[in-house]
Amino acid sequence: AQSVTQLGSHVSVSEGALVLLRCNYSSSVPPYLFWYVQYPNQGLQLLLKYTSAATLVKGINGFEAEFKKSETSFHLTKPSAHMSDAAEYFCAVSGGDTGRRALTFGSGTRLQVQP
Amino acid sequence: GAGVSQSPSNKVTEKGKDVELRCDPISGHTALYWYRQRLGQGLEFLIYFQGNSAPDKSGLPSDRFSAERTGESVSTLTIQRTQQEDSAVYLCASSLRSGGGDGYGYTFGSGTRLTVV
Repeated sequence: AQSVTQLGSHVSVSEGALVLLRCNYSSSVPPYLFWYVQYPNQGLQLLLKYTSAATLVKGINGFEAEFKKSETSFHLTKPSAHMSDAAEYFCAVSGGDTGRRALTFGSGTRLQVQP
Repeated sequence: GAGVSQSPSNKVTEKGKDVELRCDPISGHTALYWYRQRLGQGLEFLIYFQGNSAPDKSGLPSDRFSAERTGESVSTLTIQRTQQEDSAVYLCASSLRSGGGDGYGYTFGSGTRLTVV
């Protein structure tokens, strides 16, 4: 079955440091891939998505993610963390092997940004 | 409407009671999804509606859970004989067409926090 794995349930970085949140998927056919962010006491917002166009995808708030088929990865990065980036981040997948239309979400990574 | 609206925002119920959660999707969004998010965990898919097609119920955890949608509008998620393990935030999302399957993202509601005591 198609799945998505987020390595690290908690990531802590210093303000201004690089943010790297890891996401790997399992599918022999490249799926659609998404990153969502959930700020405290708020709903989920779409950060960015990969839909088989450019492999480097830019999203909101300076985030970007690169689709690497050889590594079955879609890691989320931001060059310089800001305090306001503290939130929970979810990787999600659809399509792929199963053609499933509903998104399957990873378990999430909580990002802490230290001053 | 401008966004996905869910009601109530909070619900506390006694074990064994039935509850009904409501979702108003964005106008024009034909796909609607229900997810459950337990404390500290990821999102668990429950059910998916696409237009007038038969819903994908593969994520419903038991026959105590059911959902309905009238056309391309409001959806209700019903949990019968609630148990403490049903305590979670229930999230609704809508999207154009089939959402993730066509690469469209979802728009999520703020969720209903259900507490079963």
